[in-house]
Amino acid sequence: GAVVSQHPSRVICKSGTSVKIECRSLDFQATTMFWYRQFPKQSLMLMATSNEGSKATYEQGVEKDKFLINHASLTLSTLTVTSAHPEDSSFYICSARPTGAYEQYFGPGTRLTVT
Amino acid sequence: AQKVTQAQTEISVVEKEDVTLDCVYETRDTTYYLFWYKQPPSGELVFLIRRNSFDEQNEISGRYSWNFQKSTSSFNFTITASQVVDSAVYFCALSGNDYKLSFGAGTTVTVRA
Repeated sequence: GAVVSQHPSRVICKSGTSVKIECRSLDFQATTMFWYRQFPKQSLMLMATSNEGSKATYEQGVEKDKFLINHASLTLSTLTVTSAHPEDSSFYICSARPTGAYEQYFGPGTRLTVT
Repeated sequence: AQKVTQAQTEISVVEKEDVTLDCVYETRDTTYYLFWYKQPPSGELVFLIRRNSFDEQNEISGRYSWNFQKSTSSFNFTITASQVVDSAVYFCALSGNDYKLSFGAGTTVTVRA
């Protein structure tokens, strides 16, 4: 149980385009989902907290207009990187917290390359 | 603010050697949770353990063991009799009541055959 999927697993896009990444909790409902970014050989940095039915909360330094987060249902959160640039190339990982639980379960990550 | 420090960037050992990964944390929360995750080359994070701030009992799971010492704000992780499959990046992480995880910089463990 407690499986989180991400789609796509890899995406290559051209500079200036937008990319949407989906995070789904497959066998549980998640009131809260988190989005992290990981640059090569670096740690995971929390970008934002996504709560179902409300606006996401962004960490300091993360541009909310660039990284649009939507948590429209208890099993799906999406991260849209708008007007992507090469510096946005990174590994994006989501996690989902089951309603009422403390644990977070991580998705397999999405590797974004902007050319 | 919460902070996790993993002072060891890389550790290289020969198979069957023991490996201890250090983790020191800072937090103002009285209730908090500590975690260890493994990240193999595939990138997917593998949950290893969660410990809450009120439970200082050490834990052993197979070849893995954890030593939580609140007095020194440390939560160290030992792999006994390491194997090549243990090669990965290991992250220590901390969260408070807001469920947000703060990760350490990670320690890359390489186990040579």
